[in-house]
Amino acid sequence: QVQLVQSGAEVKKPGSSVKVSCKASGGTFSNYIIGWVRQAPGQGLEWMGRIIPILNITHYAQRFQGRVTITADKSTSTAYMALSSLRSEDTAVYYCARIVSPADWLDPWGQGTLVTVSS
Amino acid sequence: SYVLTQPPSVSVAPGQTARITCGGNNIGSKSVHWYQQKPGQAPVLVVYDDTDRPSGIPERFSGSNSGNMATLTINRVDAGDEADYYCQVWDNSSDHPLFGGGTKLTVL
Repeated sequence: QVQLVQSGAEVKKPGSSVKVSCKASGGTFSNYIIGWVRQAPGQGLEWMGRIIPILNITHYAQRFQGRVTITADKSTSTAYMALSSLRSEDTAVYYCARIVSPADWLDPWGQGTLVTVSS
Repeated sequence: SYVLTQPPSVSVAPGQTARITCGGNNIGSKSVHWYQQKPGQAPVLVVYDDTDRPSGIPERFSGSNSGNMATLTINRVDAGDEADYYCQVWDNSSDHPLFGGGTKLTVL
């Protein structure tokens, strides 16, 4: 059974960057598609982007283009999401999730990582 | 761009049936997935591909999808079902998942 475990909470200054990790276990990581979703306090789910580790192909939501970088390390079965030029509006819980083809649902999800951006 | 519309809230008495809708233009032609999110927890998939349930999800949860509306139905609701529920489709124009705004289910 696939499990995704994320890194711990972060507090960052405006203008800085953050990198969140997502370690997979229980399956063949290279065959996965890993996506990232964020949720601001009291708000809904917002798609950020995805990576296909076996092909090292990424695709980002337009509103995060240029600020987000998603990578994967097949040797450790870990995906990463880096977000730069942080602002207070980026304060949110960031989730990784496996995208399951062909109808593309997300299952399972990581436990979430709270990123707080504050001066 | 494609938009999914959910009611902000739905209230139901224990033991009754809750129906949470997700509206979208010709959504019946898409595969719809539903997630349950309890406070402080990550979302959990409860229905995928319109009508299928992952292992471990009670049979009380079911889905339907036709025309311009998809529906998540929860039979014999209990207090443990209180949560936010999100619908999701794949948006072919942007090539990424699209979520509805979420519905807060309150068990009276």
